[in-house]
Amino acid sequence: KQEVTQIPAALSVPEGENLVLNCSFTDSAIYNLQWFRQDPGKGLTSLLLIQSSQREQTSGRLNASLDKSSGRSTLYIAASQPGDSATYLCAVRPRNSGNTPLVFGKGTRLSVIA
Amino acid sequence: NAGVTQTPKFRVLKTGQSMTLLCAQDMNHEYMYWYRQDPGMGLRLIHYSVGEGTTAKGEVPDGYNVSRLKKQNFLLGLESAAPSQTSVYFCASSYEILIDTQYFGPGTRLTVL
Repeated sequence: KQEVTQIPAALSVPEGENLVLNCSFTDSAIYNLQWFRQDPGKGLTSLLLIQSSQREQTSGRLNASLDKSSGRSTLYIAASQPGDSATYLCAVRPRNSGNTPLVFGKGTRLSVIA
Repeated sequence: NAGVTQTPKFRVLKTGQSMTLLCAQDMNHEYMYWYRQDPGMGLRLIHYSVGEGTTAKGEVPDGYNVSRLKKQNFLLGLESAAPSQTSVYFCASSYEILIDTQYFGPGTRLTVL
């Protein structure tokens, strides 16, 4: 069964710092990996989607990488801002998904301090 | 273009009561999903639909029923609510199931007393 782990569970950084969020998954047989952002009391917003054949995706100050063979992904946030404070969730689309089209990690809660 | 909307936003039920959560999307997506999110458990899939008139069980389907009578709507029903169903429920939709991203609604916070 595919499992997704995100470490750390919570992170606090000063404004302007570059930071990395980590995601690991147990089965490398995936179609893709996605990073989502969730603000308190809100739904999830997709940030980046990396297909299994890709190594990385970039959007503005965000860069996500995928190392499928080692079961790892990182989300790099450059020059962090207080507006980046949110919970970041990683999810994989397993090839052998059964009844779970997406498997989510529990998230990393990020606080960027002004 | 409203994306994915959910009704209601909040609800309090007593044990044994029933209710229906409504999800609507205006993106002409084939695939729709219902998740629940609980502290320390992350997001878990309850049921999903691969098209109008179809439904399938997810990871935690017990105690819930769903219907997809129209392509744009996906209903989640609780026939006899239990305190264990206290959670935040999210609906999502996608154009394709394998390689496309999912678009999420704002959530429904349900409390069962």
